[in-house]
Amino acid sequence: GNSVTQMEGPVTLSEEAFLTINCTYTATGYPSLFWYVQYPGEGLQLLLKATKADDKGSNKGFEATYRKETTSFHLEKGSVQVSDSAVYFCALSGNQGGKLIFGQGTELSVKP
Amino acid sequence: SAVISQKPSRDICQRGTSLTIQCQVDSQVTMMFWYRQQPGQSLTLIATANQGSEATYESGFVIDKFPISRPNLTFSTLTVSNMSPEDSSIYLCSVSNLAGKHGNEQFFGPGTRLTVL
Repeated sequence: GNSVTQMEGPVTLSEEAFLTINCTYTATGYPSLFWYVQYPGEGLQLLLKATKADDKGSNKGFEATYRKETTSFHLEKGSVQVSDSAVYFCALSGNQGGKLIFGQGTELSVKP
Repeated sequence: SAVISQKPSRDICQRGTSLTIQCQVDSQVTMMFWYRQQPGQSLTLIATANQGSEATYESGFVIDKFPISRPNLTFSTLTVSNMSPEDSSIYLCSVSNLAGKHGNEQFFGPGTRLTVL
């Protein structure tokens, strides 16, 4: 079945450092891919998405490119801020009634 | 995007009791889902709430334990029945607007944090 694997956390970075959170997936067909973010004590917010191969999703300085050849959707940001501290979830949606399958989440902590 | 509210936002319950969580959306939506997030874990889909018919449950979840209602296109409830400490989790509802189509993002409610003693 479909699945999503993320790099384990927690990830601790200094402010203005470069961020990469790896995400790979297994799916039949052509899923859509998402990154969601969960700030402390809050619900999930959609950060970005890509619906087909080679699409790049971007938002708030974050980017991720849908790589079908490597079945990956790595999240990157060139310069993180303390306010980016949160848990990040990679997810996919295939042809299964629209439901989302989530990775295990990666906690990011950015220090000043 | 839709504005989604959940009630209660948190609750502490005794073992053996039941709790009903409400999810209200400010506009009509096609799809509504219920997820569970156990402490320190990712999200797991419990079921898809179908308007006017029985919910569609994922493997490992059953209607007797998690009865779901969806009387219209803006409202759904999830009941956690006969609770045990293992049910302590955050329960989230989500919505999307394209029936059965991927590529359309889901929007999440703020969640209900449940603690069972």
